Amino acid sequence: SAVISQKPSRDICQRGTSLTIQCQVDSQVTMMFWYRQQPGQSLTLIATANQGSEATYESGFVIDKFPISRPNLTFSTLTVSNMSPEDSSIYLCSVVRELWGTYNEQFFGPGTRLTVL
Amino acid sequence: GQNIDQPTEMTATEGAIVQINCTYQTSGFNGLFWYQQHAGEAPTFLSYNVLDGLEEKGRFSSFLSRSKGYSYLLLKELQMKDSASYLCAVRDRGGSQGNLIFGKGTKLSVKP
Repeated sequence: SAVISQKPSRDICQRGTSLTIQCQVDSQVTMMFWYRQQPGQSLTLIATANQGSEATYESGFVIDKFPISRPNLTFSTLTVSNMSPEDSSIYLCSVVRELWGTYNEQFFGPGTRLTVL
Repeated sequence: GQNIDQPTEMTATEGAIVQINCTYQTSGFNGLFWYQQHAGEAPTFLSYNVLDGLEEKGRFSSFLSRSKGYSYLLLKELQMKDSASYLCAVRDRGGSQGNLIFGKGTKLSVKP
């Protein structure tokens, strides 16, 4: 399996501020994903981050609100900008480990629990 | 639209067998995943099915029927530590680029 770490593990932030979440993987991976899990809900993909190119955002998510960096094959950051209480959620980094052919596994980091006051 | 359905909650007894069903309607299909998520923790990968049939991994088995848009996760010899949410997810496009579409999860409670 892939070992994924995230920083911070949790934070409480004021409305209007920004928070940058870091994701570190123990091996090189082509694609990294950022998900959000709002209270009592399932996971929703925010964006896909490829090294050396712009992130691809899902419907309902925009770069100005959730800028992403992917400087190398083991690291990515997600920034939650101009936060509001509706951004309170768990943010999870995820990677795919391709094993053979089309068989692959997808792993999740421990998540960052964000509360916006 | 994309839709993944699974029961919201289930209860079972320690030592028993439980089956968690998942039905899906997605624009494409390139594999179905099951994850376990304990409260306050990240999802943990359990299984992956891309072909029809049963995949067995110890106490956990997962079944897929692509023609029916149906999967189930079977947990045998239930233990208290199996109390968790179980998430069904479908990859809707080929390769690693496909988005994982998640169901809302089934909260399983294992009673003594």
